[in-house]
Amino acid sequence: DIQMTQSPSSVSASVGDRVTITCRASQTFGSWLAWYQQKPGKAPKLLIYAASSLETGVPSRFSGSGSGTDFTLTISSLQPEDFATYYCQQANSFPLTFGGGTRVEIK
Amino acid sequence: EEQLVQSGAEVKKPGESLKISCKGSGYSFTSFWIGWVRQMPGKGLEWMGIIYPGDSDTRYSPSFQGQVTFSADKSISTAYLQWSTLKASDTAMYYCARPRSSSDDPFDIWGQGTMVTVSS
Repeated sequence: DIQMTQSPSSVSASVGDRVTITCRASQTFGSWLAWYQQKPGKAPKLLIYAASSLETGVPSRFSGSGSGTDFTLTISSLQPEDFATYYCQQANSFPLTFGGGTRVEIK
Repeated sequence: EEQLVQSGAEVKKPGESLKISCKGSGYSFTSFWIGWVRQMPGKGLEWMGIIYPGDSDTRYSPSFQGQVTFSADKSISTAYLQWSTLKASDTAMYYCARPRSSSDDPFDIWGQGTMVTVSS
């Protein structure tokens, strides 16, 4: 299985801050990586697929980059509704493993 | 509107069996895979596997192979996740979700989740 390691596990930030979350894979693959946002008590929501493609309806302050083993999710200017937990997922090979999650908290 | 609607919360005892459901609507149910994701209390997401309702082709994560069974009834656009013998460690929220297109795509449509509690 491909192991996905996210860092940091949590981050405290203020509205307007730029936030960067990283995801590292245990083996290299192309750009088959997705990012999700999950708010408490809700199902996850797809934000980014294929490493850098923005899902329809997702604000442009979210962006993704990377390939191989290192990937990044960036929120350019954190908004109040962005406080949530974020997960990466590799979509290269079964099982499609998730990272452990990064909780974005209010500073 | 494309959506997945899951069955309600369940409380069961260890050793009991259970089948939860996920009903698709607003799209061609037999043309898309359906996946299952586990989230234990306070923990992260775990990909359990997927099923293709068109022909019931299934792919299980090794972590869940033999522990659960996926099935689907295409006549009523419903996928199922079942356990034959529940354990306390099966206590979790279970989500069904639909990949964007192919079996190894990320999930763009999610059900609301079914909470399963297993306790004596």
